[in-house]
Amino acid sequence: GQQLNQSPQSMFIQEGEDVSMNCTSSSIFNTWLWYKQDPGEGPVLLIALYKAGELTSNGRLTAQFGITRKDSFLNISASIPSDVGIYFCAGTGNQFYFGTGTSLTVIP
Amino acid sequence: GAGVSQSPSNKVTEKGKDVELRCDPISGHTALYWYRQSLGQGLEFLIYFQGNSAPDKSGLPSDRFSAERTGGSVSTLTIQRTQQEDSAVYLCASSFGTSGGEEQFFGPGTRLTVL
Repeated sequence: GQQLNQSPQSMFIQEGEDVSMNCTSSSIFNTWLWYKQDPGEGPVLLIALYKAGELTSNGRLTAQFGITRKDSFLNISASIPSDVGIYFCAGTGNQFYFGTGTSLTVIP
Repeated sequence: GAGVSQSPSNKVTEKGKDVELRCDPISGHTALYWYRQSLGQGLEFLIYFQGNSAPDKSGLPSDRFSAERTGGSVSTLTIQRTQQEDSAVYLCASSFGTSGGEEQFFGPGTRLTVL
């Protein structure tokens, strides 16, 4: 099936640092979504991107939909301990495709 | 308000036994998805339903896996003759539709352990 490649696979950062992760695909998607999964729970939507080139912010989160519609990045500014979790990108065309995930650890 | 619920939350079974996992989607959501997540891995798409129909069953790993949805609501994922490699968290999600871009709301998952 379709693969969305996320990088990095894992990150260990100090509290207060900024975080950047990205997602790429060989296919074009209509929509890019970023989800966060806390331990023991299902993923929860953080940000949705609908237009190529679109830059969207949600609090400390910023995400952009690449011009080619084949990539997206997510930035988290001034990280805090509760940012810990696994972040997934997802692309939609006719179906939903999830990325491989980025595991974030924030060290207080 | 009620979100997506799944039951059981945990299931331990012996190799070779059949298991049934249940998903109750958000009321009014026509689309329902099943995913599998192995420890430390991403989400593996299994199957989705639009209403009671499953247009895409390509993600089911083998013929031991089957799913059904009745009344456009509750869905059941059945794994027959379970194997140890079936151990994973099985996540269910629902959305208003599948035209693309609709947010999927996830349940808490069922953690399946096959001994």
